[in-house]
Amino acid sequence: DAGVIQSPRHEVTEMGQEVTLRCKPISGHDYLFWYRQTMMRGLELLIYFNNNVPIDDSGMPEDRFSAKMPNASFSTLKIQPSEPRDSAVYFCASSYETPGLGVETQYFGPGTRLLVL
Amino acid sequence: AQKVTQAQTEISVVEKEDVTLDCVYETRDTTYYLFWYKQPPSGELVFLIRRNSFDEQNEISGRYSWNFQKSTSSFNFTITASQVVDSAVYFCALSEAWNSGGYQKVTFGTGTKLQVIP
Repeated sequence: DAGVIQSPRHEVTEMGQEVTLRCKPISGHDYLFWYRQTMMRGLELLIYFNNNVPIDDSGMPEDRFSAKMPNASFSTLKIQPSEPRDSAVYFCASSYETPGLGVETQYFGPGTRLLVL
Repeated sequence: AQKVTQAQTEISVVEKEDVTLDCVYETRDTTYYLFWYKQPPSGELVFLIRRNSFDEQNEISGRYSWNFQKSTSSFNFTITASQVVDSAVYFCALSEAWNSGGYQKVTFGTGTKLQVIP
């Protein structure tokens, strides 16, 4: 498998524009996570899905952020409108849990570096 | 409120030394998960472990080991015989756990930067 695929790898946009980040999880994984990393706030889990259903979105910063997972092989994180403080690296990860053992293994994508001017 | 403290901001060790990264957490939950992640200088993230609060057994994976002690609210990470490739920032994290499985409200520590000197 190619691993978790994120696109674009880099995005530069202007304040007020809509930004869409994309993620393709590893086939067979039933969890998908969106994380954000900034110098000021560190690492944050924004939202995660289980079997395409959002389970916890308590980390989503505000209504400008939305995430969807229309099928098992694709997810988007959308920011509308974007603001300079949204500049960060956004990581997507997918995982599976070993049945009966409760052992989870997450695999991360390379991240999308977003700069909002 | 949950809190994760990684008091060691930066650690330097000489290759082949053992090193322990400390993680102390605070939570009112009786059921929770603890995590460790690695971020090498290249910037990618690597998931290392997830531990359920019910399971206090120590975990060993190759040169890596984790010591979970509820009595001291700590989940420390030890690298035995460190190597240059272990140089990275290591993050500890804590989350609430649901009875039905799954977790929420993940709180990350600020990370410990480990430098292994050849």
